[in-house]
Amino acid sequence: GQQLNQSPQSMFIQEGEDVSMNCTSSSIFNTWLWYKQDPGEGPVLLIALYKAGELTSNGRLTAQFGITRKDSFLNISASIPSDVGIYFCAGITYGRYSGTYKYIFGTGTRLKVLA
Amino acid sequence: KAGVTQTPRYLIKTRGQQVTLSCSPISGHRSVSWYQQTPGQGLQFLFEYFSETQRNKGNFPGRFSGRQFSNSRSEMNVSTLELGDSALYLCASSFGNYIEETQYFGPGTRLLVL
Repeated sequence: GQQLNQSPQSMFIQEGEDVSMNCTSSSIFNTWLWYKQDPGEGPVLLIALYKAGELTSNGRLTAQFGITRKDSFLNISASIPSDVGIYFCAGITYGRYSGTYKYIFGTGTRLKVLA
Repeated sequence: KAGVTQTPRYLIKTRGQQVTLSCSPISGHRSVSWYQQTPGQGLQFLFEYFSETQRNKGNFPGRFSGRQFSNSRSEMNVSTLELGDSALYLCASSFGNYIEETQYFGPGTRLLVL
């Protein structure tokens, strides 16, 4: 199935460092979402973005909806050990006239934080 | 407000058997989507149900089927299980109104096929 390009695939960082990851696509999206998944659990929604250029924060997390609507990034500031997990981006396109929508996920960024 | 719940959380089956997984969406959500997650393939969309009707479908064989009940609860069935069906099966719910389609995931059912 179709997936978004997400980078980096994995990263090891020291506790306290800032983290940045992004998702890119050749398609335009109406909504960008960022999820975090812990091992053996379902993804948990972190941030939702609904407008091009929108910058939204959730605690130490900040995400932006790219101006071109084809990309998004997520920043985590001052990382802590519990930030470890897999981060997924997701883009939604709406086909209002066709009455459908498409939900595409990124390939995931595996984050490991070294204490 | 209670989140999305899935039962069972873990399941072991043998090849050739069939399995039924259950998903209860967040109260007020009418759309339920199902995903298969494997280490190599990431999150793969199976299908979406809205108002008891399948509204979207991914590229999975006919062995994978689902249904939705009038209370929006959904079940997914996999018949004639194959080893490659071992995965984490996730369901996600949303309002399904094309205005706010943010999906919220359940904890998943981990299926192991021996």
